[in-house]
Amino acid sequence: VLTQSPGTLSLSPGERATLSCRASQTIDSVYFAWYQQKPGHTPRLLTYAASTRATGVPDRFSASGSGTDFALTISRLEPEDFAVYYCQHYAGPPETFGQGTRVEMK
Amino acid sequence: QVSLRESGPALVKPTQTLTVTCSFSGFSLSTSGMALIWIRQPPGKALEWLARIDWRDNKYYSKSLQTRLTVSKDTSSDQILLTLTDADPVDTGTYYCARIYGRAPILWGQGTLVTVAS
Repeated sequence: VLTQSPGTLSLSPGERATLSCRASQTIDSVYFAWYQQKPGHTPRLLTYAASTRATGVPDRFSASGSGTDFALTISRLEPEDFAVYYCQHYAGPPETFGQGTRVEMK
Repeated sequence: QVSLRESGPALVKPTQTLTVTCSFSGFSLSTSGMALIWIRQPPGKALEWLARIDWRDNKYYSKSLQTRLTVSKDTSSDQILLTLTDADPVDTGTYYCARIYGRAPILWGQGTLVTVAS
């Protein structure tokens, strides 16, 4: 089970965002990913293989963590970063998802 | 070029069987280490993992839905199917397939919205 916190993060553009994802047991960080999803859109892969940014993802997005604690950091929020973010462990099966963190504009 | 595309009925009546198809290209499900998973997302809710099929034809299902789900592959046409029996309005959502292959980026289709209603 992956538990994301907080459920909602209220921040202003330019601020730093730190999203947490905690696993109920130690997992292999190599098979860990983060996604961004905007309303009406398919989830967009941000990072995979622990901390590799997907093609086209700006370097203000960074992933870290190991064991049971993982984080996605957005160094300086841009207006287009306000969205829902999901973590996923895909060593599988199952390829579990967290319940999501909403990053909203303050 | 690697791609995945889901298709299925827009509307299914309660108690009917819901079947969605994932058509893929640019890779073979027979390649060692390759797997395809199904995910769904009810409107306004979180992503939910449903099932997985891998290159050895091993199949895995969500514990909460395993009695209703079947995943199968048609290697001759590069497609996999997901069937969900006894559809209910709570099964309404967008159904996605995605490719898992080692440490490669996870690739998703665009999803297909299925509504269960009478």
